[in-house]
Amino acid sequence: DVKVTQSSRYLVKRTGEKVFLECVQDMDHENMFWYRQDPGLGLRLIYFSYDVKMKEKGDIPEGYSVSREKKERFSLILESASTNQTSMYLCASSRTSGRLYEQYFGPGTRLTVT
Amino acid sequence: AQKITQTQPGMFVQEKEAVTLDCTYDTSDQSYGLFWYKQPSSGEMIFLIYQGSYDEQNATEGRYSLNFQKARKSANLVISASQLGDSAMYFCAMREGRSGNNRLAFGKGNQVVVIP
Repeated sequence: DVKVTQSSRYLVKRTGEKVFLECVQDMDHENMFWYRQDPGLGLRLIYFSYDVKMKEKGDIPEGYSVSREKKERFSLILESASTNQTSMYLCASSRTSGRLYEQYFGPGTRLTVT
Repeated sequence: AQKITQTQPGMFVQEKEAVTLDCTYDTSDQSYGLFWYKQPSSGEMIFLIYQGSYDEQNATEGRYSLNFQKARKSANLVISASQLGDSAMYFCAMREGRSGNNRLAFGKGNQVVVIP
């Protein structure tokens, strides 16, 4: 069974803290993605990676960075957390080749910044 | 410009009835793919169905079917014989072009509540 796991389901951090969100997939997928989900706004892409050490900005990269040192792991970093980064964060992965190659999602991390 | 538009307000559906969720998209690419995902209250995103732009037939997966009207740029999801477990948010998404990185653009979602 395919699996994407995220390090925490719920996280509470203080303003100004450095926050790491970890995502691991066991499907040997090339592509990995970080989204944030806010009510009424749907899913918005923060960053994605199509290979180890490769990354591209999504639609809302400001205030975030990412790291992909190993194929199975993709980390989202909030350099200095702010209250407007309180949100649900979803990680996903997908293949590169193939007709369908849908994205598989992790369970999400609900981050609260106080 | 918004690439995926889902504008229906929250919907209440009677159990065992069919429900149609609207999705319109905007792209200038000839090759693209359309996806529907379900997100129950537990939060996980579940892939439901896929339609490729060159597919001649509408996609079907069990109780889910996709009413694909290419000229109108619409890809509506039809859920037949609704069940209580269908209560969830539903997201339409599009992959443009032949991009190998499989980047998706998501709509804002439709809330469905199935009532007994």
